[in-house]
Order: sequence, then C-alpha cells, then structure tokens
Amino acid sequence: SQTIHQWPATLVQPVGSPLSLECTVEGTSNPNLYWYRQAAGRGLQLLFYSVGIGQISSEVPQNLSASRPQDRQFILSSKKLLLSDSGFYLCAWSPSMWTEAFFGQGTRLTVV
Amino acid sequence: GQNIDQPTEMTATEGAIVQINCTYQTSGFNGLFWYQQHAGEAPTFLSYNVLDGLEEKGRFSSFLSRSKGYSYLLLKELQMKDSASYLCAALYSGAGSYQLTFGKGTKLSVIP
Repeated sequence: SQTIHQWPATLVQPVGSPLSLECTVEGTSNPNLYWYRQAAGRGLQLLFYSVGIGQISSEVPQNLSASRPQDRQFILSSKKLLLSDSGFYLCAWSPSMWTEAFFGQGTRLTVV
Repeated sequence: GQNIDQPTEMTATEGAIVQINCTYQTSGFNGLFWYQQHAGEAPTFLSYNVLDGLEEKGRFSSFLSRSKGYSYLLLKELQMKDSASYLCAALYSGAGSYQLTFGKGTKLSVIP
C-alpha cells in the first residue's frame, strides 16, 4: 500500500531563518506531488505541484521554493522565513492529476 | 480564479442528518471532491463526483449538479466523531493541466 511521510510535525523558526520540509511517498512510482498551505481561517492553498522529477509548477509567487530531487521525494524550502509564512503545510500525492489526493500528516510552522 | 463557496460553520445534533452545500464556478470543471479534516490533522478523502447524481457511501452521501455548479455532502446518523471541517474541492482543467481548488471548509459541530 502507498504511504506518505512528512516531517517534522511541528517547527518553530525565527524570522529570517531557512526552511526545509521533506516529504516522501512509498509504494508507488511517478506520483503527482503537491505542497499546500493552510493558514488560520483560510482554505487549502496550493503552493507547488510536480508531475515528475525536476518538474515544478508554482501556483503562488512567494519566498518559498520546491524541489523534486527523486521520484518520490518533494522538498519545500525557503532561504529567509517571514512571519506570514506561518501555517499548516501539507504534502500530498495523487496517482494522476484527476484523482483524489492523499495527504501527509502536515507540518505546523510557526515563525517568530 | 475559481471561487468555491461553502458555509463557514454548522451545528447539528447527534443522530440527526446534516447537509453541507458547496457552489463552484462551472468553467473548466471536471469533478468535485469532499474531504474531512479533524482539527490539527490532515484532510482525508471522502468522495469524488464526476457525473450528476448522488453517490452513497455508508452514512455519507455526495450529490453533484454540473449544470448548476452545486454539490452537497449529506451526513446521516451523526456521531460525535463527525465533528470536523468538511472541505469541498473542485477539479479544473485548462492548458493541458489540472488544478484542484479547495473551499475554506465548513466546520461542523455535533452536539449531544
């Protein structure tokens, strides 16, 4: 069966510090991968998605970036965090773009 | 953008039936997902509607009307554990890609 791992579960980082969140998927190959952010009182916002290694599409301009160095690994990064980057970050995968997505457990990021 | 509208909050009694509505823009629409999200946790997939009509899955049912840009999630025999946010998400296609757009979620509180 397929599983998705996302870590860490919680993170407190100072403003201006770097960020690296990692997500891996097991039990499938060539998944579509996604990074979402859920801010308080707002819906899930798609940040990045990837249909293959090295292929990243950005949905929202910001100081975050994503990379897919391996087929089942998706990384969300920032060089300098802002207070507004606080939120609940969710990695997800789907077999294709038109099927349901399966979410990781999420990372609650607090920028202080 | 593709606005997804659903009520912010609802309250219902244990054992009752509740209907959560969702409206969406129809241009480029391909399908409608419902997810359940307990506080502090990742969303979990509930249902996916592509064609008009009602899809029943145990105590949960989901309805879609493509022409009206309307869907609802019906929860029967409510249990306390059904207290959660319910996310409506519409799948759109365009320019050779697909995009899943989430609503802000409906927070359902089940009371004794």
